[in-house]
Amino acid sequence: RKEVEQDPGPFNVPEGATVAFNCTYSNSASQSFFWYRQDCRKEPKLLMSVYSSGNEDGRFTAQLNRASQYISLLIRDSKLSDSATYLCVVNRASNTGKLIFGQGTTLQVKP
Amino acid sequence: DTAVSQTPKYLVTQMGNDKSIKCEQNLGHDTMYWYKQDSKKFLKIMFSYNNKELIINETVPNRFSPKSPDKAHLNLHINSLELGDSAVYFCASSQVWGNEKLFFGSGTQLSVL
Repeated sequence: RKEVEQDPGPFNVPEGATVAFNCTYSNSASQSFFWYRQDCRKEPKLLMSVYSSGNEDGRFTAQLNRASQYISLLIRDSKLSDSATYLCVVNRASNTGKLIFGQGTTLQVKP
Repeated sequence: DTAVSQTPKYLVTQMGNDKSIKCEQNLGHDTMYWYKQDSKKFLKIMFSYNNKELIINETVPNRFSPKSPDKAHLNLHINSLELGDSAVYFCASSQVWGNEKLFFGSGTQLSVL
């Protein structure tokens, strides 16, 4: 079993739709959690951190459920420019420098 | 100015050759990394340097040798290239050790024929 698991998709949604991705992690000692975005043939970029209390950045909402060991990303009012692969990232422990990346979930937003 | 730049962008070579990939960051960051992204898109850490000191060396064949001449540069040399080395290699940096916000270079697509 992979340490960080995501449904690779692709998720095909129309513009304006709301879409949610989940990610599960196996190491219960994991300390911190992130979503990175990777456009096709480009480098990953940090989208947002995920906090226990949940956090929102514009149309994006991230949630963490430690009991069930999953994190989620909700995108409201999808735009064409949201088309990308969303990587779930987990840090096993603080200050180890070892981020574990999921395979990514690909989102295609259609007009 | 590109924050993390790596060269070359594409590298096509024959099995058995030796090649290098260079990386430079102009962000003043202390920590630099090499990641490998395979055909299934998993990004895996290979090495990490903090202030020129090797901190992380994952289970990578010793044909791969990183070198950090100063904290702004982290190069990757690969000896005796194999077909399985074909992947995209990303350099990254973070402000300090343990900071989880990584800034990635644009990647080097290595194809071993």
